Amino acid sequence: QIVLTQSPAIMSASPGEKVTITCSASSSVSYMHWFQQKPGTSPKLWIYSTSNLASGVPARFSGSGSGTSYSLTISRMEAEDAATYYCQQRSSYPHMYTFGGGTKLEIK
Amino acid sequence: DVQLQESGPGLVKPSQTVSLTCTVTGISITTGNYRWSWIRQFPGNKLEWIGYIYYSGTITYNPSLTSRTTITRDTSKNQFFLEMNSLTAEDTATYYCARDSIYYGLDYWGQGTTLTVSS
Repeated sequence: QIVLTQSPAIMSASPGEKVTITCSASSSVSYMHWFQQKPGTSPKLWIYSTSNLASGVPARFSGSGSGTSYSLTISRMEAEDAATYYCQQRSSYPHMYTFGGGTKLEIK
Repeated sequence: DVQLQESGPGLVKPSQTVSLTCTVTGISITTGNYRWSWIRQFPGNKLEWIGYIYYSGTITYNPSLTSRTTITRDTSKNQFFLEMNSLTAEDTATYYCARDSIYYGLDYWGQGTTLTVSS
């Protein structure tokens, strides 16, 4: 079973600051999805297939990576970006989905 | 617009069986290229995928839960279901249903239903 490790677990950023969240896979994977979740709400698909922004996601977000290392980047932090972000992938053997432990991003 | 809505009993006792329902509107659950997943989020926010039912009816479970989990559907009502037995306090979580596009991933989620396992 592939394990996804996100870092950092918690971070804070000032408005306008660049933010990078990383997701490390225990074995090579083909792609990574990312979700944003705010308190009291369900997770929202944010970035799919490593680098594609979901509908309505601001262009200041981007995703990249390959193999065992993936990242989500915010070019300039805004207050509305404060949330918890999760990475997720699907493995073939065994066939299952796994999520990272989450990165809680706070605004300074 | 695609919408998913979970429903369930809220509170069950240890060792009991729970059945949760996901009602889907805006798309048929038999529409090609979609899977319909159950996911849970524990207190502390860890997410765990439980399993899915494919548009064709094929079902895949998380290997760690397969022995006590059953996913079924009622296409006439456009609903799919999660049954889980031998519940313990460790199954206390918010349970989500979600649409899983083979192109975009888990792109639509319900609002979740909270399940507490306690005597």
